Amino acid sequence: QLQLQESGPGLVKPSETLSLTCTVSGGSITTRTYYWDWIRQAPGKGLEWIGTIYYRGSPDYNPTLKSRVTISVDTSKNQFSLKLTSVTAADTAVYYCARRGSSWGQYIWFDPWGQGTLVTVSS
Amino acid sequence: DIQMTQSPSSLSASIGDRVTITCRASQSISSYLNWYQQKPGKDPKLLIYAVSSLQSGVPSRFSGSESGTDFTLTISGLQPEDFATYYCQQSFRTPYTFGQGTKMEIK
Repeated sequence: QLQLQESGPGLVKPSETLSLTCTVSGGSITTRTYYWDWIRQAPGKGLEWIGTIYYRGSPDYNPTLKSRVTISVDTSKNQFSLKLTSVTAADTAVYYCARRGSSWGQYIWFDPWGQGTLVTVSS
Repeated sequence: DIQMTQSPSSLSASIGDRVTITCRASQSISSYLNWYQQKPGKDPKLLIYAVSSLQSGVPSRFSGSESGTDFTLTISGLQPEDFATYYCQQSFRTPYTFGQGTKMEIK
C-alpha cells in the first residue's frame, strides 16, 4: 500500500525558506503514470494546490506562488521536495504531499495523501 | 483561475438522512470534478473522481452527478462516520482549485 510522509521543520522565521520532503513508501516514485504534488491548508481554511512534479522533472506551479516555489525529485531516495522562499505568516499551513493519478488518461485526482505537517511562520 | 463555489458551507443532518452538497464551477470544466472527505486533523480522502466514479473502497451510499457547471455529491443514508468536511476540486486546468468546503455536523 502506497504511503507518503512529509518531514521538515515545523517552525520557520519570516523571510526565510520553508523546506519539506515527502518520502514515498510502498511504491516507486518513478511509476510512469503518476505525478507528485504539494497542497496546503491554512488553519481553518480550504485547500490550495501548490504544484507538481514528474519523476523526470518538469515541475508545474500555482501562478500565485510560482516566483517563490521550487519542487524537485530525488528518485534515488524515492522522495520529492518543496522549497518556498521569503515566507510570511500567510504561509502558515498544514502542508500535504499527494500522489496525482489519472483515470482513462485524463481525469486527474489526488490519492493518497500524506498525513500533513504543520509549518508555522513566526519569529 | 477556475473558482469552485460550494453550498452550503455547513449543514446539520441526522443519521439516516439523505444529504446533498453542491459545487459550482466558474466556467465549464467538463467532467473534471472530484470530491474529497476530510475529518478533523486528518488528510483528505478521495471519494469520487470524474463526477461520478467511486474510488475503490468508498461505500455506495456516496454518489455524484452533474448538470452543466453544477455538480452534486449525495450521501444516501448518513452514517456516523460520514460527519466530516467535504471538498470539491476541479482538475480541468491548472492551477487545480478546490471549493471552500462543506462542514457536515450531527443534528
